Amino acid sequence: GNSVTQMEGPVTLSEEAFLTINCTYTATGYPSLFWYVQYPGEGLQLLLKATKADDKGSNKGFEATYRKETTSFHLEKGSVQVSDSAVYFCALSGNTGKLIFGQGTTLQVKP
Amino acid sequence: DARVTQTPRHKVTEMGQEVTMRCQPILGHNTVFWYRQTMMQGLELLAYFRNRAPLDDSGMPKDRFSAEMPDATLATLKIQPSEPRDSAVYFCASEEQTQAARASEQFFGPGTRLTVL
Repeated sequence: GNSVTQMEGPVTLSEEAFLTINCTYTATGYPSLFWYVQYPGEGLQLLLKATKADDKGSNKGFEATYRKETTSFHLEKGSVQVSDSAVYFCALSGNTGKLIFGQGTTLQVKP
Repeated sequence: DARVTQTPRHKVTEMGQEVTMRCQPILGHNTVFWYRQTMMQGLELLAYFRNRAPLDDSGMPKDRFSAEMPDATLATLKIQPSEPRDSAVYFCASEEQTQAARASEQFFGPGTRLTVL
């Protein structure tokens, strides 16, 4: 079945450091891929998405590229801020309309 | 600014009591999801509806949980009787899904934090 695996957290970085959160997936067909972010005390919100191979999703300085050959969708940001501290979820959607989420990765950015 | 609303935001109850959580999806969204989030299990899909019809409730304990959509503006999740292991944050999310774009973006509510003593 479809599944998503994320790197375990927490990830702790200093402000302005480079961020990578790894995400790999297993799926049949051609899923769409997503990154959601959850700030403390809130629900999840869409950060970025990509719907086909080689697409790059980007938003708020974050980027992720849909790599079919490596079944990956790694999240990157060149310079993190304290306000980026949150839990990040990788997810995929097949043809059922449901999202399959990874376990989430907590990011802590220190000043 | 359209958003998903959930009530109550916090609920503390005693074991054995009935709990009802409510969700108002974004107007025009045809698909509604219920999730549960705990530290141990992470984010779990409990049930979802499209055009008010239940499509999948396989993630829900059938003996005590029930989910309904009485109308397009209200989704409910009920637990009866509640147990301490049901303590979690319950999220509702809505989405506009079409045949052409089965997965666009799910919009999450702020959640209901349930504590069962």
